[in-house]
Amino acid sequence: AQKVTQAQTEISVVEKEDVTLDCVYETRDTTYYLFWYKQPPSGELVFLIRRNSFDEQNEISGRYSWNFQKSTSSFNFTITASQVVDSAVYFCAYEEYGNKLVFGAGTILRVKS
Amino acid sequence: EAGVVQSPRYKIIEKKQPVAFWCNPISGHNTLYWYLQNLGQGPELLIRYENEEAVDDSQLPKDRFSAERLKGVDSTLKIQPAELGDSAVYLCASSLTGGETQYFGPGTRLLVL
Repeated sequence: AQKVTQAQTEISVVEKEDVTLDCVYETRDTTYYLFWYKQPPSGELVFLIRRNSFDEQNEISGRYSWNFQKSTSSFNFTITASQVVDSAVYFCAYEEYGNKLVFGAGTILRVKS
Repeated sequence: EAGVVQSPRYKIIEKKQPVAFWCNPISGHNTLYWYLQNLGQGPELLIRYENEEAVDDSQLPKDRFSAERLKGVDSTLKIQPAELGDSAVYLCASSLTGGETQYFGPGTRLLVL
């Protein structure tokens, strides 16, 4: 079965620091999707990105960037110049056949002012 | 466009009591999901609907949990009777079709005493 590992349980940074959240997955599939979601204290999971396994181009969206490396089965997420509002739990997820999302355990990010 | 709506947001009940959660997906979304999120963990799929049909309920504890999606729009998840271990957040998500990005609601936080 597919598995998603987020080894960092909790990260604390000071505002304006860059921070990278790691995500490693295990699969035998050749076609799959990877996701990042943000869960602020309000509890709602906010969609950030969806990446097809055939598209290994890095993506940048404002202060957010994602590095997908199929060779190491990693899909890392970097926040540049972090802000207090970035404080949340971040989940990496893998989409199994049948549209089932398998989530990692999440990384708690605390950004201090 | 309105997001996924869930109610209630919070529910406190005594063990052995029944409880029900309601979800209204994003308009036009045919696929609806119920996830369970235990404290400190990522969400886990309970059941997935394609229109009115439950196409994946393999993770739903059918002895006490039931779900329905009449008319292929709103959905209700029920627990009867509730146990202490059912205390968790119940998340509803929807996607345009199976295979598209899932968008989540704010969840219902259940506490069983």
